[in-house]
Formats: sequence, structure tokens, C-alpha cells
Amino acid sequence: DTEVTQTPKHLVMGMTNKKSLKCEQHMGHRAMYWYKQKAKKPPELMFVYSYEKLSINESVPSRFSPECPNSSLLNLHLHALQPEDSALYLCASSLLRGTDTQYFGPGTRLTVL
Amino acid sequence: GNSVTQMEGPVTLSEEAFLTINCTYTATGYPSLFWYVQYPGEGLQLLLKATKADDKGSNKGFEATYRKETTSFHLEKGSVQVSDSAVYFCALTRQGGSEKLVFGKGTKLTVNP
Repeated sequence: DTEVTQTPKHLVMGMTNKKSLKCEQHMGHRAMYWYKQKAKKPPELMFVYSYEKLSINESVPSRFSPECPNSSLLNLHLHALQPEDSALYLCASSLLRGTDTQYFGPGTRLTVL
Repeated sequence: GNSVTQMEGPVTLSEEAFLTINCTYTATGYPSLFWYVQYPGEGLQLLLKATKADDKGSNKGFEATYRKETTSFHLEKGSVQVSDSAVYFCALTRQGGSEKLVFGKGTKLTVNP
């Protein structure tokens, strides 16, 4: 099974709200990723976690705060977002950091009003 | 640096037509190559992959061969269906290097009945 799950599927929030996105995998993968995808563009890497530790932050604004509470779970905490942050947020996982195949979840469609 | 160039489309075909989506890459070392597919409103699904020269990846009637001499990984399908309508992304990652997936810009395929 190569399933990555994400909740919620859709999220609408105001610029003063705080919300969180959740990602889960039970494949025993030790690397997890957050991507942002704007319409008609490929995904852009935001963060990489390896063994529950943040290993890459692609210069993402601090209003996005990732968290990896355990090896199966990855969260993305959102605060004071801007309308231009509206996008599809994708989570992915791979067996280990630096190994080849990343498996993606279905994404959370975020709209910031 | 590493990069992927794919035909941007859009590509419109009739059902049962032959499909080719071209993908060429630039990379140091020996990259792994991937095709991901994104159906409307969904996340990315791994379609197929190849990890070394002359490998052929195949899945659901789609095929692609890793050609090191031409640095290409073209996607083909002999007879497309309406259900194949989606955006297709070619991507690479370098073994032992950065875990960043480098994506092409994506090719939108529409198959008409």
C-alpha cells in the first residue's frame, strides 16, 4: 500500500485565522515533505523532514510552521496567511531522505480570504 | 544544475490515438526519472519510474525508457482513453544527492471520445 492521506480536503480561512493541515502515512517511511502547488504549475518544495527532524526549509515564510510529532504524522500550521498563499498543499513521503520515490497525498485545497 | 524540459501542450487527442509526451533532462551523475500524473482536482500519482539507463518503466499501458545517450524519458501509450485526461509531470531526482524532485512544467492531456 502506497497511501498518503491528508486532511482536510478543502480549507477556507481568513487572514487572521490559525489552522493546521495534517498528513499521515503508515508505510514506514522516514522522510516526509510539504509542497505547494499553484494552478497550472508543478509542485514547489517547502519543507523536508527526515527521522522527525526538519532537514530542509526552502526559505518559506514563518507564517507556515511545520511539525513532525512522530514518524507517521506531519502537520503544517498556518497563521496570518495572505491571499497569495491560496494553493494546493501536497504532502509526500519516501522510505528515506535522498532515496528516489516520493509518494504524494491527495492534497489540501487552501483558500485564504 | 538539474532540470527537466517537457512539451507543455496542451495536447488534445481522440480516443484510441497514440500518445507521446517528450521529456528531456539535464543532470549531473545518474538521476532517477519519473512520470507523475495529476487528475483534475487531485494530488500527484506516481505513474512509472526508471532508475538506470535503458530501464523501461511501465504502468497502465504507459511506457517510458531511460535513454542516457539522448538524456530523454519520453512517455508513450498506444491507445489513449478519455480517462487518461490529466496533467503529466516528468521529474528527476539524483541518487545520493538532494532529495528535491525537479519537475518539468507539466503537459495537459485531453482525450475526446
